[in-house]
Amino acid sequence: AQSVAQPEDQVNVAEGNPLTVKCTYSVSGNPYLFWYVQYPNRGLQFLLKYITGDNLVKGSYGFEAEFNKSQTSFHLKKPSALVSDSALYFCAVRDITGTASKLTFGTGTRLQVTL
Amino acid sequence: NAGVTQTPKFQVLKTGQSMTLQCAQDMNHNSMYWYRQDPGMGLRLIYYSASEGTTDKGEVPNGYNVSRLNKREFSLRLESAAPSQTSVYFCASRDRGLAANEKLFFGSGTQLSVL
Repeated sequence: AQSVAQPEDQVNVAEGNPLTVKCTYSVSGNPYLFWYVQYPNRGLQFLLKYITGDNLVKGSYGFEAEFNKSQTSFHLKKPSALVSDSALYFCAVRDITGTASKLTFGTGTRLQVTL
Repeated sequence: NAGVTQTPKFQVLKTGQSMTLQCAQDMNHNSMYWYRQDPGMGLRLIYYSASEGTTDKGEVPNGYNVSRLNKREFSLRLESAAPSQTSVYFCASRDRGLAANEKLFFGSGTQLSVL
């Protein structure tokens, strides 16, 4: 079964510093990987995806993610964090079993950016 | 430009009561999904529908039923609510097609408490 793991429940970073939110994956075949963000009392919003091609994927709000096949990782990064980036971040992997493509999500990492 | 609309936003039930969570999307998407979100467990798929007229079980279907009423609407029913079903429920939709379209659009969620 396809799965992703987010080893950190929470990441704390000061505004202006770089941030990394970690994700590792376990898949059979080529992975389709995603990052979503959830702001308080809102649904999840798509940030970026990796399907194929360049290992560095750029997404919304200045975020990017690095796909590393040898380490089976897909870490989310941003060069300079903002307080407004504080939210819950989910890594996800596509699962194509069954009648429709589905996403399997990790447990989420809460990002707290402080002044 | 509503996207995915869920009703109600909040609901409190007593154990054994029944209710239906409503979801509608106006993006002409083929696939629709119901997830539940619990602390420390991320999002887990309850049921999904690849297209109008089809539904399939996800990871945690027990205690739930679904109806894909038409292409726009996908409802989730709790026949006899239990405290273990206290959660935040999200509906999502996706356009069927190329892998490049692998992006879920989420509603804002229904917060359900079962006492």
